Amino acid sequence: DAMVIQNPRYQVTQFGKPVTLSCSQTLNHNVMYWYQQKSSQAPKLLFHYYDKDFNNEADTPDNFQSRRPNTSFCFLDIRSPGLGDAAMYLCATSRGDYGYTFGSGTRLTVV
Amino acid sequence: AQTVTQSQPEMSVQEAETVTLSCTYDTSENNYYLFWYKQPPSRQMILVIRQEAYKQQNATENRFSVNFQKAAKSFSLKISDSQLGDTAMYFCAFIVRYTGTASKLTFGTGTRLQVTL
Repeated sequence: DAMVIQNPRYQVTQFGKPVTLSCSQTLNHNVMYWYQQKSSQAPKLLFHYYDKDFNNEADTPDNFQSRRPNTSFCFLDIRSPGLGDAAMYLCATSRGDYGYTFGSGTRLTVV
Repeated sequence: AQTVTQSQPEMSVQEAETVTLSCTYDTSENNYYLFWYKQPPSRQMILVIRQEAYKQQNATENRFSVNFQKAAKSFSLKISDSQLGDTAMYFCAFIVRYTGTASKLTFGTGTRLQVTL
């Protein structure tokens, strides 16, 4: 089945130690999104790729970066995780219209 | 800017009963879509129902239906014959349809629904 896959499901990292979360898709969607969702809150868009074009939200901290080496993969890099970055990170894809497909998320813990 | 407001942080309903979740939104755009997403404890976001703003007819999907009041900018979700599996966080969300750029979902703060025996 076509889907959006996020790895790992759970990630524990040390305070200040760079960490990378990955997302892959078999839907061949041209847009990939990263959302941050803190406990009991709404998901917040960090950035998205429209094809190869990177689009950062104005309030996304510089600590967060992203890479999209090809259509299928997208990575979220957190350069120096702080305790406040502990959250669920959701990857989603779309064809640029309203048809979003979400992955299962990666829960990041910072110790 | 678009905003989505869900005024009910938590709700509870007995199995087999009907429950309505409220959502209001604000936009100056005309071409947009509204959604209800369900996020169970397993955490994957699942689309429940979608409504195109240009359609007057309310969307329905089996036990799920919406009451879309465009003038009032209201978009409520009705769940009939509630089941234990409906227990989840429900998010109202909104997309403005643009041409040539990616559409971005804006979420409300969510309503946690508990279905009880």
